[in-house]
Amino acid sequence: DAMVIQNPRYQVTQFGKPVTLSCSQTLNHNVMYWYQQKSSQAPKLLFHYYDKDFNNEADTPDNFQSRRPNTSFCFLDIRSPGLGDAAMYLCATSSRTGNTEAFFGQGTRLTVV
Amino acid sequence: AQSVAQPEDQVNVAEGNPLTVKCTYSVSGNPYLFWYVQYPNRGLQFLLKYITGDNLVKGSYGFEAEFNKSQTSFHLKKPSALVSDSALYFCAVRDPPNTGNQFYFGTGTSLTVIP
Repeated sequence: DAMVIQNPRYQVTQFGKPVTLSCSQTLNHNVMYWYQQKSSQAPKLLFHYYDKDFNNEADTPDNFQSRRPNTSFCFLDIRSPGLGDAAMYLCATSSRTGNTEAFFGQGTRLTVV
Repeated sequence: AQSVAQPEDQVNVAEGNPLTVKCTYSVSGNPYLFWYVQYPNRGLQFLLKYITGDNLVKGSYGFEAEFNKSQTSFHLKKPSALVSDSALYFCAVRDPPNTGNQFYFGTGTSLTVIP
């Protein structure tokens, strides 16, 4: 089945140690999103790609970076994780047309120790 | 700017009773509205959407939503709640075509179905 796959599902990293979360999709969608979600709050958009066009949210910390080497893959890099970065990270995709929903991966639960 | 509001943080309903989870929207132009459900430690799962057409939209797992333009609402409903419906529910609105790619989520409503 076409889907959005996030790896790993659970990630434990040390304070200050760089970590990369990955997302892949088989939907061939041209828009990919990274969201941060803390304790049952609404997902907070960090950035998104429209094809290779990168769109950063104004309040996304510089500590968060992203790469999209091709249509299928997108990565979230956290350069120096702090305790406050512990959260669920959600990847989603959608097509460019306004009438389509976003398709979410299962998320990566990040713990910072 | 697009936004949605979910006025209830928590909704409790007895199993077998009808449930309603409320959502109101504020958009410029035609609304593109969505409902998602989230179970613990999972991603968001799409339930249904309103783009155009009939005001009553049917979705997955017996859920439906009623689009009301005059009240700018898009409430999620189910005739008979199941314990397994207990989860976190998010309403969302999307940027209109050719104006952006963002989805704007409400703050979420935690639904508890009591056996």
